[in-house]
Amino acid sequence: GDSVTQMEGPVTLSEEAFLTINCTYTATGYPSLFWYVQYPGEGLQLLLKATKADDKGSNKGFEATYRKETTSFHLEKGSVQVSDSAVYFCALSEGGGSNYKLTFGKGTLLTVNP
Amino acid sequence: NAGVTQTPKFQVLKTGQSMTLQCAQDMNHNSMYWYRQDPGMGLRLIYYSASEGTTDKGEVPNGYNVSRLNKREFSLRLESAAPSQTSVYFCASSQRLATGELFFGEGSRLTVL
Repeated sequence: GDSVTQMEGPVTLSEEAFLTINCTYTATGYPSLFWYVQYPGEGLQLLLKATKADDKGSNKGFEATYRKETTSFHLEKGSVQVSDSAVYFCALSEGGGSNYKLTFGKGTLLTVNP
Repeated sequence: NAGVTQTPKFQVLKTGQSMTLQCAQDMNHNSMYWYRQDPGMGLRLIYYSASEGTTDKGEVPNGYNVSRLNKREFSLRLESAAPSQTSVYFCASSQRLATGELFFGEGSRLTVL
C-alpha cells in the first residue's frame, strides 16, 4: 500500500542555517504530494503541494520538488528562522471516491536556535 | 475567520465513560475528517465524511462512531472509552474529497484513565 517515509528527528539548527527534511514515498499510481506544518499547540497547516512529476511547490521560503524517478519530495529552506520551529509532515494523496486515501508520514520535529 | 472549531480542547475520562467531540467548519466544505495523533505514529484517519449524509471508516475506526449532523458539523463519539484512546484528536475539512488540501482544527487532547 501507499506509504510515506520521512527522516526521523529531531532536527536542531541554528538560525540562518540551510534546512533539508527528506521524504520518500511508495504509491501505486500518480499521487499528489504535500508538506504540512504543525506549530506548537496548533493543528496542521498546508505548507506546499505538488500534483505531478517535476512540479515544485513553494511557500514562505520553503520548497519541495516532486521527483518521480527517486520517489522523493524533500523539503528545503535556504535560511531558517526561530519561527520555523515546528513539526513537519510529508503526505501523499491518491485515488478517488471510496478509494481515496491521504497518507501522512510520522513527522519531523525541527528546532531552530537563535 | 474561525475555520474549523473543535470542542472541548481538553477532556479527562475514566475507562468506560462516553463522550462526544464536536467539530464545526464555516468554509462551506463538503468533506470532513477525524484523525488521531499519537507520538511516533503520525496522524491516523479514524472516520471521514465525503459529503453531507455519508460517512466511511478510515484506518482506525474501532471504538468510535461518527455523525455528520449537517454540512457544517461532524461529531466523533467514544461509547466506552479505553486508555488506548488517549490521544490528541483533530478534525479537518476540505472542499472535496481527494484534494489532499485539508484545514485542521486546533485539536482536542483526551486522556482516559
